[in-house]
Amino acid sequence: SQKIEQNSEALNIQEGKTATLTCNYTNYSPAYLQWYRQDPGRGPVFLLLIRENEKEKRKERLKVTFDTTLKQSLFHITASQPADSATYLCALAPSGNTPLVFGKGTRLSVIA
Amino acid sequence: DAMVIQNPRYQVTQFGKPVTLSCSQTLNHNVMYWYQQKSSQAPKLLFHYYDKDFNNEADTPDNFQSRRPNTSFCFLDIRSPGLGDAAMYLCATSKDSDVRNQPQHFGDGTRLSIL
Repeated sequence: SQKIEQNSEALNIQEGKTATLTCNYTNYSPAYLQWYRQDPGRGPVFLLLIRENEKEKRKERLKVTFDTTLKQSLFHITASQPADSATYLCALAPSGNTPLVFGKGTRLSVIA
Repeated sequence: DAMVIQNPRYQVTQFGKPVTLSCSQTLNHNVMYWYQQKSSQAPKLLFHYYDKDFNNEADTPDNFQSRRPNTSFCFLDIRSPGLGDAAMYLCATSKDSDVRNQPQHFGDGTRLSIL
């Protein structure tokens, strides 16, 4: 069956460290993968999109990698801050113009 | 600012009493989506519209209906809400039908409670 798995429900890290979140997928062959941030009681907010031929993409303190062989994307936040505390969702489109399928997310807590 | 607006933010209804949730967008996007999200779970797609072309997910209960009278507005109707329908309902848009390659823009959701 098709699955998207994000490594853990919750991740706690110290301020200033790099947070690394994992998204693994099974029985999909996405050409694109997206990452979103969701704060409690709010809708998800788009962060980054990465294409299968891009391997890595950066935006300020954020970095995303995409390994189609491992069927995995890694999401990194460097120099993490308490304001980065949120749930981070990965999403992919199974094929063609099929809408995105979302993972459950990882809840990140950055401790001062 | 262009955005996706959902009203109301909180909705309480009685078991079995029909309820309508609304969504409007000022982005002039072609595609609109409705998701259901329960606590600590992934957003689950219920329907989406490519312009006026309606697409129902296979496992969306018949109890859920949707209307899109124009580009800007979309409604979610729950005909006979059950306790299991208590959730956050999220509306989202994307620019056009190349949905893989574009971000989705979400509203802040309507939290539905069933008494």
